[in-house]
Amino acid sequence: GAVVSQHPSWVICKSGTSVKIECRSLDFQATTMFWYRQFPKQSLMLMATSNEGSKATYEQGVEKDKFLINHASLTLSTLTVTSAHPEDSSFYICSAMGQGKKVFRGSTEAFFGQGTRLTVV
Amino acid sequence: GIQVEQSPPDLILQEGANSTLRCNFSDSVNNLQWFHQNPWGQLINLFYIPSGTKQNGRLSATTVATERYSLLYISSSQTTDSGVYFCAVDDKIIFGKGTRLHILP
Repeated sequence: GAVVSQHPSWVICKSGTSVKIECRSLDFQATTMFWYRQFPKQSLMLMATSNEGSKATYEQGVEKDKFLINHASLTLSTLTVTSAHPEDSSFYICSAMGQGKKVFRGSTEAFFGQGTRLTVV
Repeated sequence: GIQVEQSPPDLILQEGANSTLRCNFSDSVNNLQWFHQNPWGQLINLFYIPSGTKQNGRLSATTVATERYSLLYISSSQTTDSGVYFCAVDDKIIFGKGTRLHILP
């Protein structure tokens, strides 16, 4: 299947600082990207959906000023956790869908990055 | 929004056994996927199956879209099959709560 690369895999930051997480589609054009958050032993909760070149659409209860999402190109989306606090510690995962050699046009199959484990101390 | 329910929530089986995992969804969808989340958190795509039946080795899946459910079959389970299995539906990729599968040696 298609490949989505997420970086970094883990990060530890101090409370009050900002952290940027990158999500790249390596072999297809990601017209739509999703960001999820997962707490231990729980499911993935959708935070926001972004289409290339457009503002992200945030799910209810997700602070858009806290979780800044940029989808400036067809291969890259970033999530910035601003002024991070310990309660923001979590596992963040991106996914992408689009088209390319391994993804046929019109497909709604999503491919996921490896995830980023964020710890705020 | 659309609701996704998976059952059972937990399943413990002996190696070699077969299992069936179920995913019910509350509205019609044009997208349904099954994933296996490994211990490091990586989601492995198992099936993209909005309808019909697919097979891949010991795994197979069936989605009956008109009745709003999908089934994932695992035959001759191995310890490496342990982990959490998620189904996700809709264009927004909404996840169920998962089935935690534990295969005993």
